[in-house]
Amino acid sequence: DGGITQSPKYLFRKEGQNVTLSCEQNLNHDAMYWYRQDPGQGLRLIYYSQIVNDFQKGDIAEGYSVSREKKESFPLTVTSAQKNPTAFYLCASRKPTVSTEGYTFGSGTRLTVV
Amino acid sequence: QQPVQSPQAVILREGEDAVINCSSSKALYSVHWYRQKHGEAPVFLMILLKGGEQKGHEKISASFNEKKQQSSLYLTASQLSYSGTYFCGTESGGATNKLIFGTGTLLAVQP
Repeated sequence: DGGITQSPKYLFRKEGQNVTLSCEQNLNHDAMYWYRQDPGQGLRLIYYSQIVNDFQKGDIAEGYSVSREKKESFPLTVTSAQKNPTAFYLCASRKPTVSTEGYTFGSGTRLTVV
Repeated sequence: QQPVQSPQAVILREGEDAVINCSSSKALYSVHWYRQKHGEAPVFLMILLKGGEQKGHEKISASFNEKKQQSSLYLTASQLSYSGTYFCGTESGGATNKLIFGTGTLLAVQP
């Protein structure tokens, strides 16, 4: 079955450390997205990519970086510049932007700073 | 700017109806609705495109008033499985389509 795989499910980061969250999809979707969710809050857009080798900043991109070298993969790096990274991170994908279909989400990565 | 949802939370008994509203300050191309169970990823319910159509999905339907930049989600004869947090997501269209999620509405259905 097609879907989005996020790994790891849980991640612990030490102060000053960079960590990378993996997101892989086999849905042949062109567009991919990273959202951050804090407890009891909505989803906020970090970065998104509509085609390979191109991506745009979302509303809260500071302290994060991404790459889109392959259509299937859209990894997110949480850098040491992100001062409050503890959150639930969700990756999503979608067919070409003019679409009547919604987003498909991965199961998420829960990041905790220790 | 983030769409505003109302109410923030609602508690129902099984079989009761509920309406969740989503309001945006921007002109909208489409509105999405998602349901998220605790600790899980959001699940897509439906999308409404510019044109004011109303869509249905089992006992859940929605409307979209593009002039008022508002959408409403209607849940009828609620079931225990309807419990969760409901989010609207709005797209303003153009070359950089991106979904901006609303503030969320927590729905609890009790037996």
